[in-house]
Amino acid sequence: EAGVVQSPRYKIIEKKQPVAFWCNPISGHNTLYWYLQNLGQGPELLIRYENEEAVDDSQLPKDRFSAERLKGVDSTLKIQPAELGDSAVYLCASSLGGQGFTGELFFGEGSRLTVL
Amino acid sequence: GENVEQHPSTLSVQEGDSAVIKCTYSDSASNYFPWYKQELGKRPQLIIDIRSNVGEKKDQRIAVTLNKTAKHFSLHITETQPEDSAVYFCAPGDRNTGKLIFGQGTTLQVKP
Repeated sequence: EAGVVQSPRYKIIEKKQPVAFWCNPISGHNTLYWYLQNLGQGPELLIRYENEEAVDDSQLPKDRFSAERLKGVDSTLKIQPAELGDSAVYLCASSLGGQGFTGELFFGEGSRLTVL
Repeated sequence: GENVEQHPSTLSVQEGDSAVIKCTYSDSASNYFPWYKQELGKRPQLIIDIRSNVGEKKDQRIAVTLNKTAKHFSLHITETQPEDSAVYFCAPGDRNTGKLIFGQGTTLQVKP
């Protein structure tokens, strides 16, 4: 069974440029999460989707970050414009939702962003 | 908001010794208490979890104990091996919503 797939794995851009990350969750997982992980820190939740609905986006900096999950499957996280402080690893995770939730989040390998 | 703290931030042990990492949380509504392991450059992976109605759970060399009254839970690793070297995160949260708050991580080094 394929795990959570993210792309690109690495991205280097100059500040003020836009960037987008893509995530394909495990088949059948209706809950999808985007986390930000700074070096030496734990993952911080940016947004959580139940199917196509964003049920928790309180930590998403909405002035420059946006996300979508149009068909309730794969998702895109965008930053525009990027700032130096956005350099981090962006992790996508998925899980079964509702009555099927076991507690386990399945993470992708992450997308490492470097903003110069 | 929820405050989650792990102690210690780094831990170095000799192979074969035991390691204990403690996680303290502030949200008394938390009902789910997992531990994730993240090897260098890899994704976080669940290694053990416990629910709020259970005090202790063991899986081979690892165990988790929960004290809901004091709002802390701990990861115990016995007979440590070099492959246990990694960063460990606690992530208390709500099992009904899947919202987890990760701690800052504990770097465990097991010296051969």
